[in-house]
Amino acid sequence: KAGVTQTPRYLIKTRGQQVTLSCSPISGHRSVSWYQQTPGQGLQFLFEYFSETQRNKGNFPGRFSGRQFSNSRSEMNVSTLELGDSALYLCASSLADFSYNEQFFGPGTRLTVL
Amino acid sequence: GENVEQHPSTLSVQEGDSAVIKCTYSDSASNYFPWYKQELGKRPQLIIDIRSNVGEKKDQRIAVTLNKTAKHFSLHITETQPEDSAVYFCAARFILDMRFGAGTRLTVKP
Repeated sequence: KAGVTQTPRYLIKTRGQQVTLSCSPISGHRSVSWYQQTPGQGLQFLFEYFSETQRNKGNFPGRFSGRQFSNSRSEMNVSTLELGDSALYLCASSLADFSYNEQFFGPGTRLTVL
Repeated sequence: GENVEQHPSTLSVQEGDSAVIKCTYSDSASNYFPWYKQELGKRPQLIIDIRSNVGEKKDQRIAVTLNKTAKHFSLHITETQPEDSAVYFCAARFILDMRFGAGTRLTVKP
């Protein structure tokens, strides 16, 4: 069974631009969560989607948004990029609620904002 | 506010020794506590998890203990091996999100 995939793997943008990252979960998994990882702030939860609905949301500004499609693939969007948005963005998928099912992480998208 | 604190930030042990990493959390409603291992340049991987109705769980050389009253949980690795060297993250499920500790960089010296 293929693992979680994320595209693109690397991205360079400039301040003020917007970016869309994609995550394809493991086949059969319906929950996708997104995380931001930085050396200074560590791993921070962005949001969780289940059956095309945002179920939980972390403490991030409204510039960070996401969605999930009927095939469980998910995208996250960051608008009006800031230098501080430079980070590794990880998505993780699980069968259903990640409190009861193991989360499998993707390789991440490394975003650099110049 | 709601938080997860993890100690120590770095830990160096000799091969064969035990390693213990401790985390505390602030939300008494938390009910799920996973531990992740992240090797350099790789994605985090779940190594063990525990739920609030269990006090201890063991999987070969790895064990996790949970004290709900004190709101802390610990990861224990016995008979450490060089391949255990990595960054370990604890996490706790809060009502609306998942919070992570800052990570512990474990180095196992051969």
